Amino acid sequence: GENVEQHPSTLSVQEGDSAVIKCTYSDSASNYFPWYKQELGKGPQLIIDIRSNVGEKKDQRIAVTLNKTAKHFSLHITETQPEDSAVYFCAGSNYQLIWGAGTKLIIKP
Amino acid sequence: DSGVTQTPKHLITATGQRVTLRCSPRSGDLSVYWYQQSLDQGLQFLIQYYNGEERAKGNILERFSAQQFPDLHSELNLSSLELGDSALYFCASSVESGWASPLHFGNGTRLTVT
Repeated sequence: GENVEQHPSTLSVQEGDSAVIKCTYSDSASNYFPWYKQELGKGPQLIIDIRSNVGEKKDQRIAVTLNKTAKHFSLHITETQPEDSAVYFCAGSNYQLIWGAGTKLIIKP
Repeated sequence: DSGVTQTPKHLITATGQRVTLRCSPRSGDLSVYWYQQSLDQGLQFLIQYYNGEERAKGNILERFSAQQFPDLHSELNLSSLELGDSALYFCASSVESGWASPLHFGNGTRLTVT
């Protein structure tokens, strides 16, 4: 079945720097890749998603890239701010949504 | 605000007991999903309902059951509770039944079994 691996498990960056979180998937038929942000005490919130017919998608400081050949996709956050501190989850979907284990992003002031 | 409402926010109960968690989906959403998140763990999919019918099952224990009512709200029933059932339980909703549809999560019910 599908497996989604997410790295790193913890990422600490200086405020203003960029952060990159990577995920790999095993099922080549997967066609939908969302990213969710979970703040402390809250449920996950969709921040960006990409479908397999697109290689890159941007929304202000957030971008996602997809490499179907290598079966990996990445979340890029530029000009990080304190409010970006959270746990980020990637997921891949073909006939069901498979979640990565999460990345705790810490923004250092 | 996602528009998904979960009650109660916190629940403390003893081993062997039974509890019911409630979820009201976002207006217009027909699909409801239940997830379990243990401390510092990822999201474990339990079960999905679409317009009142069970659509998909994940790692849901036999002691757990769920249903979706005609008004689309859903309940997750957990029985014969064990210490290991202590976790955050999230409900999410989406417009469609397929897995390529964005999920809208509630803020969860924190269950503590003592």
